[in-house]
Amino acid sequence: ETGVTQTPRHLVMGMTNKKSLKCEQHLGHNAMYWYKQSAKKPLELMFVYNFKEQTENNSVPSRFSPECPNSSHLFLHLHTLQPEDSALYLCASSLQGQNYGYTFGSGTRLTVV
Amino acid sequence: AQSVTQLGSHVSVSEGALVLLRCNYSSSVPPYLFWYVQYPNQGLQLLLKYTTGATLVKGINGFEAEFKKSETSFHLTKPSAHMSDAAEYFCAGGGADGLTFGKGTHLIIQP
Repeated sequence: ETGVTQTPRHLVMGMTNKKSLKCEQHLGHNAMYWYKQSAKKPLELMFVYNFKEQTENNSVPSRFSPECPNSSHLFLHLHTLQPEDSALYLCASSLQGQNYGYTFGSGTRLTVV
Repeated sequence: AQSVTQLGSHVSVSEGALVLLRCNYSSSVPPYLFWYVQYPNQGLQLLLKYTTGATLVKGINGFEAEFKKSETSFHLTKPSAHMSDAAEYFCAGGGADGLTFGKGTHLIIQP
C-alpha cells in the first residue's frame, strides 16, 4: 500500500456505459495527477490538480472528465469511451513546491469492449 | 523544453550480472532526479531520488544511482541482478512544477 488508493483495480465497460475511477490519498499532498499508460507507449499525463484547481489538461478528449472535490480525492468520469481508451490509468499525488517526487497508486486496468 | 532520455527500451542481463540502466536529462531539467520501478499491473514505486547533497544515491532493493552533472546523467545500477528485478524502470526529473518521465526501460533477467 503506497498511501494512494485507486478503485476499482479492474474495470470492463461497454462503449455506451458511464463509469468513474476514484483516487484517494491521505498523505497531506496538495497536488494530484491522472496518467494514462497504454501498452508500448510512454506515460501520458492527462490532468493536473493543484489545491483542487485544474492546472493542466493535455488535450484530453471530453469523454474523460476529471473532478477534484478536495485535496484528498480525485475522480475520472468516463463516458462513451472507445476501445483505444483501454489502458492502465494511474493516479499520483505530490506536495506542490517540494521535490520529493510523486506517490503513485496501483492503477485501474480499464478495458473498453 | 525539459526532457529525460532513457537509452534502451529493453535491457537483458543474466541473473547475478551487473545491471546498468541509462538515463540522461536535459540541462533545462532542474537537478532533482528519480528512478521508479513498475511491476506488471502495478503503479510506479520510488526506487531512489537525488535532490541535493551526495551524488551517489542508494535506494531500495540494492539499487543505486550516481548524479553526474558534467555528463547530465543519472544511471541506475545494481551489482548483482536477481530474477525479482525484472520490471519496467522509469527515470524522471523535475522540480517543484512537476516531473518529466522517460519512456521507460524494460529489464529482463535471464536465468
